[in-house]
Amino acid sequence: GAGVSQSPRYKVAKRGQDVALRCDPISGHVSLFWYQQALGQGPEFLTYFQNEAQLDKSGLPSDRFFAERPEGSVSTLKIQRTQQEDSAVYLCASNYRDGTQYFGPGTRLLVL
Amino acid sequence: AQTVTQSQPEMSVQEAETVTLSCTYDTSENNYYLFWYKQPPSRQMILVIRQEAYKQQNATENRFSVNFQKAAKSFSLKISDSQLGDTAMYFCAFIWLGGSARQLTFGSGTQLTVLP
Repeated sequence: GAGVSQSPRYKVAKRGQDVALRCDPISGHVSLFWYQQALGQGPEFLTYFQNEAQLDKSGLPSDRFFAERPEGSVSTLKIQRTQQEDSAVYLCASNYRDGTQYFGPGTRLLVL
Repeated sequence: AQTVTQSQPEMSVQEAETVTLSCTYDTSENNYYLFWYKQPPSRQMILVIRQEAYKQQNATENRFSVNFQKAAKSFSLKISDSQLGDTAMYFCAFIWLGGSARQLTFGSGTQLTVLP
């Protein structure tokens, strides 16, 4: 596709539910990133893939957060047993080889 | 660790006027890029402009230009002939190209409102 796509755009979950957020990067982009953005703040890094390899997951806030990119293209961010503090916009970005990252529209997660 | 600071939480400008958004950063590295991203209410993060640290010439993209002062670790964004569509949150961001880390470090943002 022409840009990074994410689905769903909005997700409402009850506390304790599991959620899965999908990211489709720009075709051919090697690197894929997940960021979490709380209301009124800048995005914070969660995790980074190069092809199918997860090279950095230092930003994942707890072991309830898990990400995968099994075939080096589409990625899924899974949050288990969601908590209210998980409410945020989750942004996905991809890049080819230089440092410029292109972002998707984000998934807004609300945990009630 | 790298940090990015945007000290202006909110700014406003009249349509057609010029505005400058400030950003400072802290790093001990030499090989890095700096970016300005724009995030309108739709929440889509849109690249505005990129500056490679090794380049002395300031980057420009149409109405957008930067003032990159490497020694002072300052990276401001100038928007000329402001338009209503420029209303958005603007984020300054840094990426270090050395080592294995590749994530962007963002500032806290400046909310720009263009007034008719």
